[in-house]
Amino acid sequence: GAVVSQHPSRVICKSGTSVKIECRSLDFQATTMFWYRQFPKQSLMLMATSNEGSKATYEQGVEKDKFLINHASLTLSTLTVTSAHPEDSSFYICSAKTGTGDYYEQYFGPGTRLTVT
Amino acid sequence: GQNIDQPTEMTATEGAIVQINCTYQTSGFNGLFWYQQHAGEAPTFLSYNVLDGLEEKGRFSSFLSRSKGYSYLLLKELQMKDSASYLCAVMDSNYQLIWGAGTKLIIKP
Repeated sequence: GAVVSQHPSRVICKSGTSVKIECRSLDFQATTMFWYRQFPKQSLMLMATSNEGSKATYEQGVEKDKFLINHASLTLSTLTVTSAHPEDSSFYICSAKTGTGDYYEQYFGPGTRLTVT
Repeated sequence: GQNIDQPTEMTATEGAIVQINCTYQTSGFNGLFWYQQHAGEAPTFLSYNVLDGLEEKGRFSSFLSRSKGYSYLLLKELQMKDSASYLCAVMDSNYQLIWGAGTKLIIKP
């Protein structure tokens, strides 16, 4: 099956610093990748959708200058949380889908637990 | 607005059967998904329904009624490892996934 990896799995950073999270599709080419954020006991919240080689589409309320997304290749997307604050502490999950075949199924990465102190 | 409703928490006994309901109101419909999410992990795909009726896959079955905006996930022969959150998600007319808050299922011996 399709495998998506994320790195790092856990990260602790100090307030004001930036953190980069990588999302890779290991055995398929992902034309579209999604970035989600999930706070404890809450549902997944879509932050942005990115297509390879183009600018990401951000959901309402998500600051594009704070959450920088780069989908440089068909297998890699990165999310950079700039000037992180404690309220950015959350579980960040990426998912990917291919442009053909089972278009409706998103393959999720294992998630990244971000803690900002 | 778009809305997905499912119970917050359910408790069931090992070996028993449990049904998790999901109702939805979305702008358009391109299918309903059920995902399983263990604590601290990402969701994993369980099922996809786009036509009315019951889809069976081993111990898990999923039902859809588009006219009622209703779905359920049925889990049989419950095992302790089934303790997890179960997320209902609907794909709207823009092919965006709208997520429910999830149902935390607790299995007791």
